[in-house]
Amino acid sequence: EGLLVESGGGSVQPGGSLRLSCAASGFSFSFTWMHWVRQGTGKGLVWVSGVSADGTTARYADSVKGRFTISRDNAQNTLYLQMNSLRGEDTAVYFCARGGRLGSFDDWGQGTLVTVAT
Amino acid sequence: IVLTQSPGTLSLSPGERATLSCRASQGVSSTYLAWYQQKPGQAPRLLIYGASGRATGIPDRFTGSGSGADFTLTISRLEPEDFAVYYCQHYGSLWTFGQGTKVEIK
Repeated sequence: EGLLVESGGGSVQPGGSLRLSCAASGFSFSFTWMHWVRQGTGKGLVWVSGVSADGTTARYADSVKGRFTISRDNAQNTLYLQMNSLRGEDTAVYFCARGGRLGSFDDWGQGTLVTVAT
Repeated sequence: IVLTQSPGTLSLSPGERATLSCRASQGVSSTYLAWYQQKPGQAPRLLIYGASGRATGIPDRFTGSGSGADFTLTISRLEPEDFAVYYCQHYGSLWTFGQGTKVEIK
C-alpha cells in the first residue's frame, strides 16, 4: 500500500495561483497514473486531473481545463498541480490519488485545503 | 457520463442489510466501475473495482454487482464502522463520481 502526502494548500485571492505537491512512497510511482480529486466542504468527490505514468498524457475536468496543469517528477516521486486563475468555486480539499486497477483509485493522501477568497 | 446514486441517505440499524444504487446516464462498461467509502475527516477508501472485485483487505460483507447502466453495492450486515458515505465512480474517457449515499444509524 502506498503513502501519499499532499502539501501546498492555503488561502489565496481570486485570480491567484497555488502549486500543490504530492510526495509518494511505498509503490512504483513511475509506473502508475496519478490523479487529483477535490471535495468542497460538505460536498462530494470531483475528479480534477490525471497524468500518465511517463507524464506525457494529461487529462482535465472541463471546470479546470486551461487553468490547472498537472505534472510529475518521477525521479523525485512527486506529483504536482499548478493552479492559476483561481476562483471561489475551486475552494476544496484536494486529494492526491494513485491510479489503480481498472480505472479506480487505489490509494489516497489525506488532502490539502485550498481556500479562494478575498 | 453522469452517475446518479440513490438513495441520498439510508437510515439503518447495525446488523441490517444495506443496498446502494448507482445508475449511469448511459450504458457503461462494468469493467471500470468502482465504489469507495468515506468517513468524516478521512480520505476515501477503495472498496470495489471492476464492479465486483474487492480491494485488498475489504471484508466479504461488501459485495458489488451490476452491469449496463445499473450497479449495486450491498453490505450484507452493517457493522458500526460501516456508517459512512459511499461513492460510485466510473472511468470512461475521463473519471466521474456519483454524488454519494450516506448510510446513517437509525
